[in-house]
Amino acid sequence: GEDVEQSLFLSVREGDSSVINCTYTDSSSTYLYWYKQEPGAGLQLLTYIFSNMDMKQDQRLTVLLNKKDKHLSLRIADTQTGDSAIYFCAESILADGLTFGKGTHLIIQP
Amino acid sequence: EAGVTQFPSHSVIEKGQTVTLRCDPISGHDNLYWYRRVMGKEIKFLLHFVKESKQDESGMPNNRFLAERTGGTYSTLKVQPAELEDSGVYFCASSQVWGSTEAFFGQGTRLTVV
Repeated sequence: GEDVEQSLFLSVREGDSSVINCTYTDSSSTYLYWYKQEPGAGLQLLTYIFSNMDMKQDQRLTVLLNKKDKHLSLRIADTQTGDSAIYFCAESILADGLTFGKGTHLIIQP
Repeated sequence: EAGVTQFPSHSVIEKGQTVTLRCDPISGHDNLYWYRRVMGKEIKFLLHFVKESKQDESGMPNNRFLAERTGGTYSTLKVQPAELEDSGVYFCASSQVWGSTEAFFGQGTRLTVV
């Protein structure tokens, strides 16, 4: 199976919360990340969490990590049209390169 | 402050030709990474430079790919000869500190081999 898996699409209504899920296989992962890619743009680091944490909150973003189940989620509160993008889950082991998922397209319905 | 810039933004070449992609990292960033996303697949790590040295090139797919970082500043990724399966988006990232927690990505170069 893939090292990092995530759903390809998520559709939510504007104003609702979006929850993007990700599972990974490597228990040695040190850091887990969420990147955002808007059309025509590069990858933007949204947030990351160290593997010994289980939650991190930054304004509208909440990251939850279940290390036992190797499950990472990104919750976006009060989803806006500007949140429409592809969201990539990624992991790394210390200073190694990032291993990415295929990305989740977040679609915002008015 | 300028971000990570990549040239060109798009490139269309014929199979068998040579293409060179360039990445200018953020000034002062010793760490430079190359990644590739083939259509429908994950973004895959290719290699990591620390200054001018290749720290990790475990992700390089084959010897048709050559990455250089002369002087520890900008980097080039040459594909020679290009094959159809090399088509995809090539991302470059840089970071000041060891590791990837503060890596900044460029906008990518979309390579199409026909």
